[in-house]
Amino acid sequence: EVQLVQSGAELKKPGDSLKISCKGSGYNFGPHWIVWVRQLPGKGLELMGIIYPSDSDARYIPSFEGHVTISADKSINTAYLQWSSLKASDTAMYYCARLTITDTNVDLWGQGTQVTVSS
Amino acid sequence: QSALTQPASVSGSPGQSITISCTGTSSDVGRYDFVSWYQHHPGKAPKLIISDVNHRPSGVSSRFSGSKSGNTASLTVSGLRAEDEGDYYCSSHAGGNTLVVFGGGTKLTVL
Repeated sequence: EVQLVQSGAELKKPGDSLKISCKGSGYNFGPHWIVWVRQLPGKGLELMGIIYPSDSDARYIPSFEGHVTISADKSINTAYLQWSSLKASDTAMYYCARLTITDTNVDLWGQGTQVTVSS
Repeated sequence: QSALTQPASVSGSPGQSITISCTGTSSDVGRYDFVSWYQHHPGKAPKLIISDVNHRPSGVSSRFSGSKSGNTASLTVSGLRAEDEGDYYCSSHAGGNTLVVFGGGTKLTVL
């Protein structure tokens, strides 16, 4: 089965670091861009950035650059989203998704990872 | 790249049809025939229901259809059913640095 499986929900304190994962299976992981998307409580989807697992080319939406790091390990078909110092405002659901091989559409989504940051 | 513009909410009665718009620019929706639509129910992964403006993936109901005119794409849901209630998002290929742009989402309520 072609799928993206994300790591489980996280409860963290402000200032903590965190790395969440997105593991692809059932397809050739490397040549498909992976996107990371944030959904704040009660809000819509926001693109954070994308990564090409084959060469780890990572690109960021300006509002997220410097606050998160996107990486990938193609040997284990996994992409990551990490924070070095979480804020309460990072509380959100985070989704990874796959672009088609032609880079034109998002055609597959992970189930989401809930990140809660609270003191 | 700015987000695509969608209405915050739409509603309709069972059996009726509704249309959700997705307005972009000449750099995304207007330039490429690569608009997708997703259905999102809380707690679940978004599901692709339309790709390439008007293509339905296998298994998606024919009650869902897509179209595009200029910088605006549209999703039509005909024969509304209770299970259609949820959030709907559009996206478009946009080239550039991050390749894709998303809409802000539309909440569909079946009255």
